[in-house]
Amino acid sequence: AQTVTQSQPEMSVQEAETVTLSCTYDTSENNYYLFWYKQPPSRQMILVIRQEAYKQQNATENRFSVNFQKAAKSFSLKISDSQLGDTAMYFCAFMKLSNSGGSNYKLTFGKGTLLTVNP
Amino acid sequence: DSGVTQTPKHLITATGQRVTLRCSPRSGDLSVYWYQQSLDQGLQFLIQYYNGEERAKGNILERFSAQQFPDLHSELNLSSLELGDSALYFCASSANVRNTEAFFGQGTRLTVV
Repeated sequence: AQTVTQSQPEMSVQEAETVTLSCTYDTSENNYYLFWYKQPPSRQMILVIRQEAYKQQNATENRFSVNFQKAAKSFSLKISDSQLGDTAMYFCAFMKLSNSGGSNYKLTFGKGTLLTVNP
Repeated sequence: DSGVTQTPKHLITATGQRVTLRCSPRSGDLSVYWYQQSLDQGLQFLIQYYNGEERAKGNILERFSAQQFPDLHSELNLSSLELGDSALYFCASSANVRNTEAFFGQGTRLTVV
């Protein structure tokens, strides 16, 4: 079974600064995806960024980027130029890629990191 | 707006009761997933349906059941409710072939009193 660990329950950052959220995972699989989801106070789960395990290049989406270290099973999220709207709970998630017809894509989540962006 | 619709948004009910949560997936998505988010357990996968058939089960209690109908909407039935069932229940949907992006609804907040 896969496990996802987020060791920082809470973090804070000043507006316009950069912050990095940590995530480690444990799996024996070789073919998988990793995700960061954001859950603002509205409670909607929003996909921030995803990374395919077979790609060495780190994914980037505007101000969000990841540092994917496959051997170390580490997947951190960097938020640059933090904005007040980035205040949210951030969840790291793992998805094993099924070889059996591609219909089971359940997500395994970490416990989350509450990020507060201060003005 | 993710395109996934969950109703109701809030539900308050008494212990021992039974409730039904409804989810309409994004247009064209065949897979529906149910997740439970609680303070104790975090976000946990409950069950997945694909085109009307159950495909995967997670940490779903026997008191809970789900189904996906021909029009692809899904319902999660929770019975003999206990205080510990109070949680946010999310539905997510994804397309068929090797889709690696799940779209989440806004969740149903269930409070058992």
